[in-house]
Amino acid sequence: DAGVIQSPRHEVTEMGQEVTLRCKPISGHDYLFWYRQTMMRGLELLIYFNNNVPIDDSGMPEDRFSAKMPNASFSTLKIQPSEPRDSAVYFCASSFRDGRPLHFGNGTRLTVT
Amino acid sequence: GENVEQHPSTLSVQEGDSAVIKCTYSDSASNYFPWYKQELGKRPQLIIDIRSNVGEKKDQRIAVTLNKTAKHFSLHITETQPEDSAVYFCAASKGNAGKSTFGDGTTLTVKP
Repeated sequence: DAGVIQSPRHEVTEMGQEVTLRCKPISGHDYLFWYRQTMMRGLELLIYFNNNVPIDDSGMPEDRFSAKMPNASFSTLKIQPSEPRDSAVYFCASSFRDGRPLHFGNGTRLTVT
Repeated sequence: GENVEQHPSTLSVQEGDSAVIKCTYSDSASNYFPWYKQELGKRPQLIIDIRSNVGEKKDQRIAVTLNKTAKHFSLHITETQPEDSAVYFCAASKGNAGKSTFGDGTTLTVKP
C-alpha cells in the first residue's frame, strides 16, 4: 500500500485566499483524521470521520475551516479565507476499525503571507 | 476530555545511554497508548503501543510500561544511537472513539 497520500506537499498563499488540502487514506481504513501541527500548539486534532461521517469537529478553529469526506478514498480540508495564523503543517491520518494506530500522511506545509 | 502531559520536553543523552520519557493521562477509561517518533520534516510514525490489559511491552531496544492505577506510561530506549534523535509523542485513546490525545512531545538528542 502507498500509505496515506496528501497533496499538495507545500502551499504558499496570500491572506484571504481559499486553500484546499487533500487526502487519500489507506484503502480499507474506517477512520480519517485531520491534525494541525505548530510549534506553539503541538499536534491538534481538527476533525475526524468514521465511515465518511464526521464524528467530532470540536477542534476546528472557526467557521473558516471546513472538511468533507465524499467517499471512502478522499477527504478535503478547506480554509476560506486563509489567515497568516493558519500557517502550519496539516497532517491527514487514517486507521482501521477502532482507530488505532494512526497512519500519517507526509503532511502539507501551509504558509499564508 | 482527556489530558495528556509529557515530560521532559527535551532530553539529551550520550550514545549508548538509556532514555526515558514519561506521560500521564487523566481519563481512566483510556485503554490504548501509542508512541510516535517524528524525525525532522517527516511525519509521525508509530514505534510501539500498549493496551490497558498489558503492563509492559518490549520491541528490541524500545519498551513501554503502563501503570493504570497511577495513570502513567513511559517509553524506555536502551543503547541509544544518533538515529534515535527525533521528537517523540505519547498519546492516549479509549474505546472505539478512535480519537487520540497527544502529549506535547519530547525532543531527544543522542550525542555521538
